Amino acid sequence: SQKIEQNSEALNIQEGKTATLTCNYTNYSPAYLQWYRQDPGRGPVFLLLIRENEKEKRKERLKVTFDTTLKQSLFHITASQPADSATYLCALPASGGSYIPTFGRGTSLIVHP
Amino acid sequence: GAGVSQSPSNKVTEKGKDVELRCDPISGHTALYWYRQSLGQGLEFLIYFQGNSAPDKSGLPSDRFSAERTGGSVSTLTIQRTQQEDSAVYLCASSLTRGDEKLFFGSGTQLSVL
Repeated sequence: SQKIEQNSEALNIQEGKTATLTCNYTNYSPAYLQWYRQDPGRGPVFLLLIRENEKEKRKERLKVTFDTTLKQSLFHITASQPADSATYLCALPASGGSYIPTFGRGTSLIVHP
Repeated sequence: GAGVSQSPSNKVTEKGKDVELRCDPISGHTALYWYRQSLGQGLEFLIYFQGNSAPDKSGLPSDRFSAERTGGSVSTLTIQRTQQEDSAVYLCASSLTRGDEKLFFGSGTQLSVL
């Protein structure tokens, strides 16, 4: 089955800077990879999906890259704001052909004003 | 409904008791997932329903756990003879159909087993 690694240490940055979060995976190469945001006491909220044939995807201040050679996705938030403070989870199919996402443990982002 | 609804939001029970957790998915969504999230841990897959197909129960941790989905809509997760290690947040999610990768989550049920 897939193993997903996200930095367990919180990322602290200053408002206005770019936050970069990393998601590494092992085993097979997934057809797609997703990023979710989770606030305390709430369920995850879908942000972006990137497919294996896409190198980069953007949505407003968010950018996701997908390097299938490195088995890594980077998630960037530009011009970060305190409201961006949350835990960010990456998710990918549990195995080839699976419809069930496997989630990483997430990385906590704290944006200081 | 506008989103995935879960009830209760909090449940405190004594060890050995049975509990039922309810999930009301978004109307029209045929796929439904249950996950469990322990403090500081990732989401652990439990069970997956898709339409009228047999559910994928591969994530259920023991035979004390079971789930059903009635009428292709509401789902109930039942934990029998609860143990302290069952304490966690139980999250339900739905998606439009199988292969639609975007999941919509409820706010979860915080289960505490004393």
